[in-house]
Amino acid sequence: EAGVAQSPRYKIIEKRQSVAFWCNPISGHATLYWYQQILGQGPKLLIQFQNNGVVDDSQLPKDRFSAERLKGVDSTLKIQPAKLEDSAVYLCASSSEPFRGEGHTGELFFGEGSRLTVL
Amino acid sequence: AQTVTQSQPEMSVQEAETVTLSCTYDTSESDYYLFWYKQPPSRQMILVIRQEAYKQQNATENRFSVNFQKAAKSFSLKISDSQLGDAAMYFCALLMNRDDKIIFGKGTRLHILP
Repeated sequence: EAGVAQSPRYKIIEKRQSVAFWCNPISGHATLYWYQQILGQGPKLLIQFQNNGVVDDSQLPKDRFSAERLKGVDSTLKIQPAKLEDSAVYLCASSSEPFRGEGHTGELFFGEGSRLTVL
Repeated sequence: AQTVTQSQPEMSVQEAETVTLSCTYDTSESDYYLFWYKQPPSRQMILVIRQEAYKQQNATENRFSVNFQKAAKSFSLKISDSQLGDAAMYFCALLMNRDDKIIFGKGTRLHILP
């Protein structure tokens, strides 16, 4: 089974430029998450999709960040314009859930992440 | 609001020894799950172990086990017979069954000393 694919793995941009990250979740997984992980910290949820609908985007800085999940499969996360504090690893994760009941592990499957450096 | 706290930024353990990583959490809800995830250097995060809040029995996965103290809202991870491959960042995470939202702690970096 193919895992969660993310690209690009690394990106360096100057502040005020734009960047886009792409995520292809595990086939059949309904839920997709984007997390921001700043160095030395735990992942912070930016947005959560259930199929192609947004479940939670309360921590997404909507003045500069946007995300979409067309057809309930692939997703893109865009930052425009980037700020220095956006330097982080952007993690995409997927799950087949909702996590309820026996037989569901509650496991999130993560991609390798996209490391963004803003100069 | 739900919170997850890992008070140990870094820990070290001798190879083959046992180490315990601490985690406390706070939630007013009763229906939730707790997880430990492992993030090796430059590699993707993977699930180590899972605990349902309604289960009293502590979860165990080979060398990994948890001590789940629901009343104290404590969820520690014990790694027995530590191996070099256990070196990683370990994140404690809380999942609310109501909305499938997962909150992570700040992590504990575990070093294994040969």
